[in-house]
Amino acid sequence: GNSVTQMEGPVTLSEEAFLTINCTYTATGYPSLFWYVQYPGEGLQLLLKATKADDKGSNKGFEATYRKETTSFHLEKGSVQVSDSAVYFCALIRGGTSYGKLTFGQGTILTVHP
Amino acid sequence: GAVVSQHPSRVICKSGTSVKIECRSLDFQATTMFWYRQFPKQSLMLMATSNEGSKATYEQGVEKDKFLINHASLTLSTLTVTSAHPEDSSFYICSAPSSRANNEQYFGPGTRLTVT
Repeated sequence: GNSVTQMEGPVTLSEEAFLTINCTYTATGYPSLFWYVQYPGEGLQLLLKATKADDKGSNKGFEATYRKETTSFHLEKGSVQVSDSAVYFCALIRGGTSYGKLTFGQGTILTVHP
Repeated sequence: GAVVSQHPSRVICKSGTSVKIECRSLDFQATTMFWYRQFPKQSLMLMATSNEGSKATYEQGVEKDKFLINHASLTLSTLTVTSAHPEDSSFYICSAPSSRANNEQYFGPGTRLTVT
């Protein structure tokens, strides 16, 4: 079956530090990959996505590249801000579509201090 | 702004009672909606797929008679937790794929259920 594994948190960084949150997946076929963010008290929001191998998703300074050879989709940001403090979820949908049943990783709590 | 709403945002109920949670798509129609459950500091687990005009499809291990889903219209799905017990206390989240060209999936803000 499909599964997503994220690096364990929580992650605590100082403002302007470099961020990496690792994500690896197991899936049959060619899934679409996503990063969702959940700010305190809010619902999940799509942060970025990639639908095929070697695609790079990017948004708000965050990037992730779909690496089929390593089955990874690591999230990176060069300089984090306090406002980036949230829970980040890596997820996939089987079959290369953009909607449908999502399989989520366990989530990584990020706290950024001034 | 939010494109999927949930009501209520928080509910506290006594053990043995039933609670209904609504999920609405605000500016688009959704023939399919998804219901997830999120435990503290854990991931979201898909519970069921709500289908407008037909029966919901439940994931393995989810009790159909416990978690009743009704998708009465193209903009509304409801989840009813029947005979709630403290172990049903959780954060319930719905999502709906947009019918727009990007086919993006939108999530509701969630409903915190506490059963005492």
